[in-house]
Amino acid sequence: NAGVTQTPKFRILKIGQSMTLQCTQDMNHNYMYWYRQDPGMGLKLIYYSVGAGITDKGEVPNGYNVSRSTTEDFPLRLELAAPSQTSVYFCASSYSLKTGDTQYFGPGTRLTVL
Amino acid sequence: AQSVTQPDIHITVSEGASLELRCNYSYGATPYLFWYVQSPGQGLQLLLKYFSGDTLVQGIKGFEAEFKRSQSSFNLRKPSVHWSDAAEYFCAVVPYSSASKIIFGSGTRLSIRP
Repeated sequence: NAGVTQTPKFRILKIGQSMTLQCTQDMNHNYMYWYRQDPGMGLKLIYYSVGAGITDKGEVPNGYNVSRSTTEDFPLRLELAAPSQTSVYFCASSYSLKTGDTQYFGPGTRLTVL
Repeated sequence: AQSVTQPDIHITVSEGASLELRCNYSYGATPYLFWYVQSPGQGLQLLLKYFSGDTLVQGIKGFEAEFKRSQSSFNLRKPSVHWSDAAEYFCAVVPYSSASKIIFGSGTRLSIRP
């Protein structure tokens, strides 16, 4: 298993540009998550999904959109990039959290908006 | 408000010394509790978790944590740290009332003095 993969690893955007961060997992997990991590800070939940076709907002959803058309993929869309979205983005997945199941993380995407 | 608190932003210990990282939560019912480690430039890796049973939990890399209900704490310990333990450590909680997302503390950065 590759686990959770994210592309790209790095990206620089200009203000107002859009992009999609890709996330794929091959563990047949129901739950998938997007987090952002700002320098010296913990992780903030952006969006999450409990299954294909079901998504919900986390703590900091503004400026982002998600979709979950398959179990494997959970892309994160930035429509109008802003400097405040400069961060490291982590995708994660788990089978279920209800029994304390482990959450697996991807390697992250470092995004800079100039 | 419900929260996860890691009161120590940065800790420095000497190699071979013991370590304790603090974590407190403020959820009513006992949540599921986790400790993750993040090495520089890497994603998060699960060290250990607690969701029921024995309150002393053993994890990977020689770490352990003790759940204390009376203190709403889940402190991480290691008897003798190694230089390779230098990393960021995150405490995390899955609230019992909403077991579909995980809430992270702000992290504690651990430095090791040679």
